[in-house]
Amino acid sequence: QVQLVESGGGVVQPGGSLRLSCAASGFTFSSYGMHWVRQAPGKGLEWVAFIWYDGSNKDYADSVKGRFTISRDNSKNTLYLQMNSLRAEDTAVYYCAKRKTTVVTGIDYYYMDVWGKGTTVTVSS
Amino acid sequence: DIQMTQSPSSLSASVGDRVTITCRASQSISSYLNWYQQKPGKAPKLLIYAASSLQSGVPSRFSGSGSGTDFTLIISSLQPEDFATYYCQQSYSTPYSFGQGTKLEIK
Repeated sequence: QVQLVESGGGVVQPGGSLRLSCAASGFTFSSYGMHWVRQAPGKGLEWVAFIWYDGSNKDYADSVKGRFTISRDNSKNTLYLQMNSLRAEDTAVYYCAKRKTTVVTGIDYYYMDVWGKGTTVTVSS
Repeated sequence: DIQMTQSPSSLSASVGDRVTITCRASQSISSYLNWYQQKPGKAPKLLIYAASSLQSGVPSRFSGSGSGTDFTLIISSLQPEDFATYYCQQSYSTPYSFGQGTKLEIK
């Protein structure tokens, strides 16, 4: 079955770094764009970053631009999020999600159809 | 950046009720609007994509409508498993923003 499994979360001091991984299975990983989405404790969902199916294009939320890097290794069916210069406000559950494209009345629409269970990042001294 | 605003932020309802949640975009997003359901401690689950298309496996009591800036999620007859938080999300342009969420609670 289609599955995404995040790992790499933990406790890190402000200014530190962490790399998250998202292992994909049950689908052709190299054919799909992938997102990272996070959720701070007791808060709503925040989109973090997106990478095209082949890694050729990447987009970031302003809140992480210049500090976080999304990447992928299609040979390993794995998505990554390198997080540097971490701040207390980066504390959250981080989810990876698969992007699906469907044509409706001749137009491509995009949505997140499969999500992992999340990995928790805590930035604290 | 496109801002997404949901209303209400919270809602109390009873099993069997018809519930409406609205989502407004700060600019036109055509039909690039998705709805997700999230239960405590769980990952979000896709309900509706392209404003009104029901995701496979989602019960037909869920429906979505709207285009441009104003969108609606309707649950026609609430079931016990529907008590959760609901989020809208635009996929028109980056950053792919979410609404702040609507928490649906049991009355």
